[in-house]
Amino acid sequence: KQEVTQIPAALSVPEGENLVLNCSFTDSAIYNLQWFRQDPGKGLTSLLLIQSSQREQTSGRLNASLDKSSGRSTLYIAASQPGDSATYLCAVKVLREETSGSRLTFGEGTQLTVNP
Amino acid sequence: EAGVAQSPRYKIIEKRQSVAFWCNPISGHATLYWYQQILGQGPKLLIQFQNNGVVDDSQLPKDRFSAERLKGVDSTLKIQPAKLEDSAVYLCASSPGHGPGNTIYFGEGSWLTVV
Repeated sequence: KQEVTQIPAALSVPEGENLVLNCSFTDSAIYNLQWFRQDPGKGLTSLLLIQSSQREQTSGRLNASLDKSSGRSTLYIAASQPGDSATYLCAVKVLREETSGSRLTFGEGTQLTVNP
Repeated sequence: EAGVAQSPRYKIIEKRQSVAFWCNPISGHATLYWYQQILGQGPKLLIQFQNNGVVDDSQLPKDRFSAERLKGVDSTLKIQPAKLEDSAVYLCASSPGHGPGNTIYFGEGSWLTVV
């Protein structure tokens, strides 16, 4: 059974800092990995998707890396801003042969606060 | 492009009552998901549809939860009878398919409080 863990559970930083959020997963046979952002009272917004054959993806100030063999991913946020305050969720997609489908398994998230 | 629409946004019911949530996915998206997110936790898949067929409902508490996706477009999730532990956000999501490059798009959720 795939389990996803995110560390730390909460993080508070001053504006302008570079920061790293960590995600680990137990089964390395993943289809892809996604990082999502969730604002209070809102749904999830996809930030970055890394295919299983890729090592990293970048979007603006965000960079996500994937090391399948060690079961780890990191989300790097450069020059953090108060608007980055949200919960960041990591999710891995695995194929399920019994259903010919796939399943996205989420971690519990890291709650980020960027202080002005 | 319109996003995933859900209604109602908020619902408060007493335990043992029933509730239904509705979802309209992004136009043309074949895959639809219902997730349950309990406060402080990550979302957990309840059911996945591919067009109007169920692909995965292994984590759906079938004694009280049911879902359907008639005509392969809109979907309804029903809880009957509700328990206190069903208090959560019910997120609907859709994607063009379930291949490796498909991004999943989430609605804003339906917030359920069972008292």
